[in-house]
Amino acid sequence: AQSVAQPEDQVNVAEGNPLTVKCTYSVSGNPYLFWYVQYPNRGLQFLLKYITGDNLVKGSYGFEAEFNKSQTSFHLKKPSALVSDSALYFCAVRPVTGLSFGAGTTVTVRA
Amino acid sequence: GAVVSQHPSWVICKSGTSVKIECRSLDFQATTMFWYRQFPKQSLMLMATSNEGSKATYEQGVEKDKFLINHASLTLSTLTVTSAHPEDSSFYICSARDVDTQYFGPGTRLTVL
Repeated sequence: AQSVAQPEDQVNVAEGNPLTVKCTYSVSGNPYLFWYVQYPNRGLQFLLKYITGDNLVKGSYGFEAEFNKSQTSFHLKKPSALVSDSALYFCAVRPVTGLSFGAGTTVTVRA
Repeated sequence: GAVVSQHPSWVICKSGTSVKIECRSLDFQATTMFWYRQFPKQSLMLMATSNEGSKATYEQGVEKDKFLINHASLTLSTLTVTSAHPEDSSFYICSARDVDTQYFGPGTRLTVL
């Protein structure tokens, strides 16, 4: 089965500091990996994806993620966090169809 | 681009009634759409895959007779919750696939009294 895990329920950082949200995956074959962000009572917004190619993927709102095959990780990063980045972040993998989501990580950026 | 809408954004209904939720891809055609359910402070669970012009594929444990899915066009999929009960209260989110990426609607909050 293809799955992802987000080991941290919550991440707290100060505005201006680097932000990292962790994700590890367990897949057979080449993984299709995604990051989404969800604001309260809203749907999910697509941030970025890794399908193939460069291991460093750049996405929306200044976010990037690095695909690391040896560590089976796909951590989301932002060099300088903003208060407006406070939200719920989901890592996901695409098996045959649909998406399999991690449990989510709540990010709080304090001013 | 890649905008997906859902209607209604919230609905309250009485137990035993049916509720229809619409999911539309506004600026692209989607042969495949998906329906997810999200409980408070939890992740999304895939309910079913909706394929244009054919029957939906339901995930294990999802009652196909209770959650009717219709994908009549390349831009519209509907989810009908039949004979709704309070335990069906949840946040329902659809997505539409554009090439290899799923784009999500804003969700529908269903409350069954």
